[in-house]
Amino acid sequence: SQQGEEDPQALSIQEGENATMNCSYKTSINNLQWYRQNSGRGLVHLILIRSNEREKHSGRLRVTLDTSKKSSSLLITASRAADTASYFCASHGAAGNKLTFGGGTRVLVKP
Amino acid sequence: DAGITQSPRYKITETGRQVTLMCHQTWSHSYMFWYRQDLGHGLRLIYYSAAADITDKGEVPDGYVVSRSKTENFPLTLESATRSQTSVYFCASSVGGTSYGYTFGSGTRLTVV
Repeated sequence: SQQGEEDPQALSIQEGENATMNCSYKTSINNLQWYRQNSGRGLVHLILIRSNEREKHSGRLRVTLDTSKKSSSLLITASRAADTASYFCASHGAAGNKLTFGGGTRVLVKP
Repeated sequence: DAGITQSPRYKITETGRQVTLMCHQTWSHSYMFWYRQDLGHGLRLIYYSAAADITDKGEVPDGYVVSRSKTENFPLTLESATRSQTSVYFCASSVGGTSYGYTFGSGTRLTVV
């Protein structure tokens, strides 16, 4: 079973709009990470938020973490066609150095 | 991704054959991982390694063997390939600890016929 579940599974927006996707996880974490995967490619690390952090920014990305609800969200502001990809959350468990991935959100940004 | 390479990119093999997927990283990262990606299952951890000669099972290790005699290499072997092992396989590496993300290779698309 997967540690993380993402919502929605797919998202279609117009260029310039914001995209928000959510992730839930089940057990205690050290950190939560977000990755992007373009079609046919490997995953690229976007941002990491530690369990003692509530919000983090990186360029047009904003990540929030609510450990009481075991959930995180990724916001992409002012989306571009190049943001079209699948986005995955991954939880780094409190025990061991392993990441457990969610099922991903497919984002389509229409020009 | 520069620094972590997987080979081959594509492989077709027959049921019952042994096949080895290669992974090489140039950063001397301590940790290396093998994931498989399937529709409906996301990425699932097969095996991982914390250092040379140290390996451990992940979520779906059955039918796979790994070794890590050198820090930079982490091959994954399917001892007797089955159709259910048709998947895209990703290798990843990490410095380790709780402050760093993973760096992924470009993947190997394996088809077992």
